Amino acid sequence: GAGVSQTPSNKVTEKGKYVELRCDPISGHTALYWYRQSLGQGPEFLIYFQGTGAADDSGLPNDRFFAVRPEGSVSTLKIQRTERGDSAVYLCASSLQPQARSEQYFGPGTRLTVT
Amino acid sequence: GNSVTQMEGPVTLSEEAFLTINCTYTATGYPSLFWYVQYPGEGLQLLLKATKADDKGSNKGFEATYRKETTSFHLEKGSVQVSDSAVYFCALSDPRGTASKLTFGTGTRLQVTL
Repeated sequence: GAGVSQTPSNKVTEKGKYVELRCDPISGHTALYWYRQSLGQGPEFLIYFQGTGAADDSGLPNDRFFAVRPEGSVSTLKIQRTERGDSAVYLCASSLQPQARSEQYFGPGTRLTVT
Repeated sequence: GNSVTQMEGPVTLSEEAFLTINCTYTATGYPSLFWYVQYPGEGLQLLLKATKADDKGSNKGFEATYRKETTSFHLEKGSVQVSDSAVYFCALSDPRGTASKLTFGTGTRLQVTL
C-alpha cells in the first residue's frame, strides 16, 4: 500500500517568506508526527497529532511554527517569516496507534532551504 | 530529559566484517528502543526494536539487545555487506507521556567496501 507522502520534496524560499509543507499519512493511521532533521543530526520532534488535535506541540521552536490536521488525515506544517536557521529536512511520520511501542512510518521528507 | 548517545562515525568496514554501533540512552522509566536506518536517497526505515529489558530485536541479520543495567542498545551484525552502507539512528520512545515521540541519536554513517 501507499506509504507516507510529503510535498513538496524540495522548497527554496527567501528569508521572511511564508511556507507550507504537506504530509499525507498512511490511510487509517491516527497518530501523526512532525520532526526536523538538520544536517548531520538526528531528527528532532516538533509536534504530534492524535486525530485532529495537537496532543503535544512541545517541540515547536517558536510561534512562527504552526501545524494543523483539520480532518484527522492530511497535515500541514506552516512556517511564518522564515529564517535561514529554519533550513532543514522536515519529516512526517504516522503510526496506527500512538503507543510508544507502535512503529512510526516516515515519509521521504521535505528539504527546506531559506536563502 | 530523555537523550540518546551514539558512537560517532563514519564507520568504515570491509565486506564480511563484524559490525558494532554503540548506543546508550538516558530516560526515566522503561522506554522502548529502536534502530532506524536511512539508505542513500531514501527515507527513515525501522530496522528493529525492543520494548522491554533483555528483549532482543533482530532483522536482516542485525541484532540489538535492550540492556537496562547498562542503559545500552548496541547494534551488531556478524557479516556486513556493501548494501548495508547507510546512516543508522538509535532512538527511544518514552511511554509515560501522552505522545510516543521519538528521541534520536545523531546517527552513525556506515560505509562498507569490497
